[in-house]
Amino acid sequence: AQSVAQPEDQVNVAEGNPLTVKCTYSVSGNPYLFWYVQYPNRGLQFLLKYITGDNLVKGSYGFEAEFNKSQTSFHLKKPSALVSDSALYFCAVRDPLNTDKLIFGTGTRLQVFP
Amino acid sequence: DAGITQSPRHKVTETGTPVTLRCHQTENHRYMYWYRQDPGHGLRLIHYSYGVKDTDKGEVSDGYSVSRSKTEDFLLTLESATSSQTSVYFCATGTTNTEAFFGQGTRLTVV
Repeated sequence: AQSVAQPEDQVNVAEGNPLTVKCTYSVSGNPYLFWYVQYPNRGLQFLLKYITGDNLVKGSYGFEAEFNKSQTSFHLKKPSALVSDSALYFCAVRDPLNTDKLIFGTGTRLQVFP
Repeated sequence: DAGITQSPRHKVTETGTPVTLRCHQTENHRYMYWYRQDPGHGLRLIHYSYGVKDTDKGEVSDGYSVSRSKTEDFLLTLESATSSQTSVYFCATGTTNTEAFFGQGTRLTVV
């Protein structure tokens, strides 16, 4: 069965510093991977995805993520954090050859301090 | 923004009563999903649909049923609501190679 793990409940970073939010996955086939962000009392907004092709994916608001098949990871990164990046971040995985399910991790709260 | 509408947006109901949440899309997307969001659990898949009348269970399907009689609508029913089903419910839609698009959520309180 497919699954996603976000090992950190919260990540704290100072404004201007690089940030990383970790995600690892488990699927039997080749994964489709996604990152979403949720601001308070809002729905989920799509940030970026990996379907195929270049392992480094660039998305909205300066975020990027690197697909690493050997480590089964898809960590979210940003070179310079902003206070406005503070939010809840979700990683999600889909195994297109075995199921149509889209499974999410438990989320990581990013707190960027001025 | 994708045309996904959830109704109602807020609902308070009593234990033991049936409740139906509606998700309506105008995108003609094949896939539709129902999730619940709870602190510490993230988003958990309840049921999903891969076409009209084609549905399957997710991670936490007990106590929930769904129906999809047309492409646009995906209904989630709690046959007999319990306090453990107090949650925020999100609907999402998507196609084969795209991301999922989310509705604004329904806050359900079972008292």
